[in-house]
Amino acid sequence: SQKIEQNSEALNIQEGKTATLTCNYTNYSPAYLQWYRQDPGRGPVFLLLIRENEKEKRKERLKVTFDTTLKQSLFHITASQPADSATYLCALITGFQKLVFGTGTRLLVSP
Amino acid sequence: DGGITQSPKYLFRKEGQNVTLSCEQNLNHDAMYWYRQDPGQGLRLIYYSQIVNDFQKGDIAEGYSVSREKKESFPLTVTSAQKNPTAFYLCASSAGDRDPYNQPQHFGDGTRLSIL
Repeated sequence: SQKIEQNSEALNIQEGKTATLTCNYTNYSPAYLQWYRQDPGRGPVFLLLIRENEKEKRKERLKVTFDTTLKQSLFHITASQPADSATYLCALITGFQKLVFGTGTRLLVSP
Repeated sequence: DGGITQSPKYLFRKEGQNVTLSCEQNLNHDAMYWYRQDPGQGLRLIYYSQIVNDFQKGDIAEGYSVSREKKESFPLTVTSAQKNPTAFYLCASSAGDRDPYNQPQHFGDGTRLSIL
């Protein structure tokens, strides 16, 4: 069956460190992968999109990698801040703008 | 500011009652979506619409209905046939033009539906 897996356990890190979140998928061949941030009680907010022919994408303190051989995307936040605490969702594009979402990983950044 | 407005923020339904969740966007987007989010699960697609007067079922459409009479509006009705309606409902839109696979989705802040 098709699955998108993100670590269900919260990731706790100290301020200033780099947070790395993982998204693994099986039985998909996505051409695009997106990352979103979701705060409690709010809708997800788009962060980054990466194409299958892009190994890496950066935006300010954010970096995303996409390895279609490993079927994995890594999401990095450098110099993390308490304001980065949220749940981060990965999503694959499977059809005309139809997204399939992972369950998300909660990030907690301590001062 | 452009965005998506969902109302109400909280909604309560009695057994056997239909309720309608509102979703309005002023982003001039062609495509609109409804998702359901349950604790410990990813967002699941209920219905989507790529253009006015057209919509398709998503992965969990049973017990739900939608309409798309205007580009700006995509209301979702949760019918009494939906046996487990308690959830967080999210509406989204995307541009749908140019490269359709390269468009992020913009979300509203959701409606939390509970059964009385």
